[in-house]
Amino acid sequence: SQTIHQWPATLVQPVGSPLSLECTVEGTSNPNLYWYRQAAGRGLQLLFYSVGIGQISSEVPQNLSASRPQDRQFILSSKKLLLSDSGFYLCAWSGQGGLGYTFGSGTRLTVV
Amino acid sequence: KQEVTQIPAALSVPEGENLVLNCSFTDSAIYNLQWFRQDPGKGLTSLLLIQSSQREQTSGRLNASLDKSSGRSTLYIAASQPGDSATYLCAVRRGAGGTSYGKLTFGQGTILTVHP
Repeated sequence: SQTIHQWPATLVQPVGSPLSLECTVEGTSNPNLYWYRQAAGRGLQLLFYSVGIGQISSEVPQNLSASRPQDRQFILSSKKLLLSDSGFYLCAWSGQGGLGYTFGSGTRLTVV
Repeated sequence: KQEVTQIPAALSVPEGENLVLNCSFTDSAIYNLQWFRQDPGKGLTSLLLIQSSQREQTSGRLNASLDKSSGRSTLYIAASQPGDSATYLCAVRRGAGGTSYGKLTFGQGTILTVHP
């Protein structure tokens, strides 16, 4: 069966520090991968998606970047965090056939 | 631009009631619609997935319907239980083509509280 792992679960980082959140998927190959952010009081916003290794599409201009170094690995990064980067970050995957999404357990990021 | 609206924003019911959560979307060119549940501080758990060609899906006490032409979906929960308390999110996936193939557009969610 397919599983998705996301870590860390919580993170408190000072303004200006770097960020690296990792997501891996098991039990499938060539998944579509996504990073979403859920800010307090707001809905889920798609940040990045990837349909293959090294292929990254950004939905909104921002302080973050994403990379896909391996087929089932998706990384969200920042060189210098801003207070506005605080939020709940969710990784997700879907099959190439276009079926439903499966989400990870999320990372709560607080920038102080 | 797709917009998804969920009504009501919050709902509080006594245990045992049957209830309906509503979701509407502005662009009917969808690939599928998915209902999720989110417990506080947790990720999203998929409840039901309805393809654009389907009218409804059922899983246990949950039933979701889809009327693509009118841009509406409902999630019906039968015999609600305190363990059903969570935020319920509706999300639509656009059809093939365009620059955001596969993107999910979410509603703001309905916060459900079922009290004993």
